[in-house]
This record gives sequence, C-alpha cells and structure tokens, in this order.
Amino acid sequence: AQTVTQSQPEMSVQEAETVTLSCTYDTSENNYYLFWYKQPPSRQMILVIRQEAYKQQNATENRFSVNFQKAAKSFSLKISDSQLGDTAMYFCAFMNNNAGNMLTFGGGTRLMVKP
Amino acid sequence: DTEVTQTPKHLVMGMTNKKSLKCEQHMGHRAMYWYKQKAKKPPELMFVYSYEKLSINESVPSRFSPECPNSSLLNLHLHALQPEDSALYLCASSQSPGQGQETQYFGPGTRLLVL
Repeated sequence: AQTVTQSQPEMSVQEAETVTLSCTYDTSENNYYLFWYKQPPSRQMILVIRQEAYKQQNATENRFSVNFQKAAKSFSLKISDSQLGDTAMYFCAFMNNNAGNMLTFGGGTRLMVKP
Repeated sequence: DTEVTQTPKHLVMGMTNKKSLKCEQHMGHRAMYWYKQKAKKPPELMFVYSYEKLSINESVPSRFSPECPNSSLLNLHLHALQPEDSALYLCASSQSPGQGQETQYFGPGTRLLVL
C-alpha cells in the first residue's frame, strides 16, 4: 500500500515571497503519478501540477514548480511570488499506474499568504 | 473545459429523509468518483464508476447508494443517514478508467449536514 506524508500541517508566507511545501511518499512501484491539488476556502479541489514518475524533468506551471526526487521519494511544491489567492489547503497525492485511477492523498498543508 | 458541476451546494437533512446529490460533467470522461471529506482532512474515496459500471466500493454503508444513469451523470442517493455522515461530498471525473494515468478533476462539492 502507498502512503503519502505531508509533514507541515500549517505554513505561512509573505506576499511575493517563495514557499516550499514538502511531500514524501512510500511505494514499491516504479510507474506512478504525483499531483498537487489546492483547496481554497471555496472548497473546490483544483489541480495545481502533475508529475509522471518516468520523467526526470521537474514539472512547472507558471509560478508553481516541483522538486521531484524519485530515489528519495520526495515531491515538494515551490510557489514563487506568492499571492493572496494562493491561501488554501494543499494536498499531495499519489496514483499507482497499476491500481486504476485511485488517488492516495497526504494529510494536507494549510498555507496562509500574508499581505 | 475541465468543469465538473455538483448540486446542491448545501444540503440539510434529517436522519429519516431521503435525498440525492447530483454530479455532472461534459468532458467525455468515462470514470467518475465520489469522495467524502471531513473538515481539515483529505478526501476519502467512496465509489468509482468506470464506463457507467460500479468498479470500486470502498466498504461504504448501504445508506449511501450511487447511481450512474449515463456517462455524464453521477448521483449519490442518501437514506437514513447519521450525524457523523455530515461532510463535504466531492465528485470527480477522469478520462480513461483503469489506465492509472488520468488526472482527476473535482467538482465544487456538496456540503451536507445531517441533523
């Protein structure tokens, strides 16, 4: 079974600064996918970024980028130039290529962006 | 367009009531999901439908009854719920069931309160 751990229950960052959210996972699989989802107070889960395990290049989406370390089973999210709208709960999630489309979520990190 | 819609946004029901939650997507996705999310916790998978057939039931009590009338619609019928069933119910969809590589897109959720 896969497990996903987010060791930072809460974080805060000043507007325009950079923040990194940590995520580690445990799996014996070689083919899998990793995701970061954002859930603002409006409560809709929004996909932030996705990484395929077979790709060595780290995924990037505008101000969001990941540091994917496959050997260390680490998948951190870096948010650059933080904006007030980035305030949300962030969930790291794992999908096993051999187990259908089931997502395993981490416990979440609550990020507060301060003006 | 990655929109999944859910109705109603809020629902209050008594323990003897029967109600239904509705989820709709028009992205041509063939996998649809129901999740339950308690406050400050990650979503927990309840049901998965693949090509309109129930493929995964995560040991959910029978007072929750899913239904997939067609490829665009997913319902969750509720009957004789308990106060501990109060939660945010999220619907999600993805393109190709069982391939283990498809991103799930979430709806805004239905906030359910059982009195």
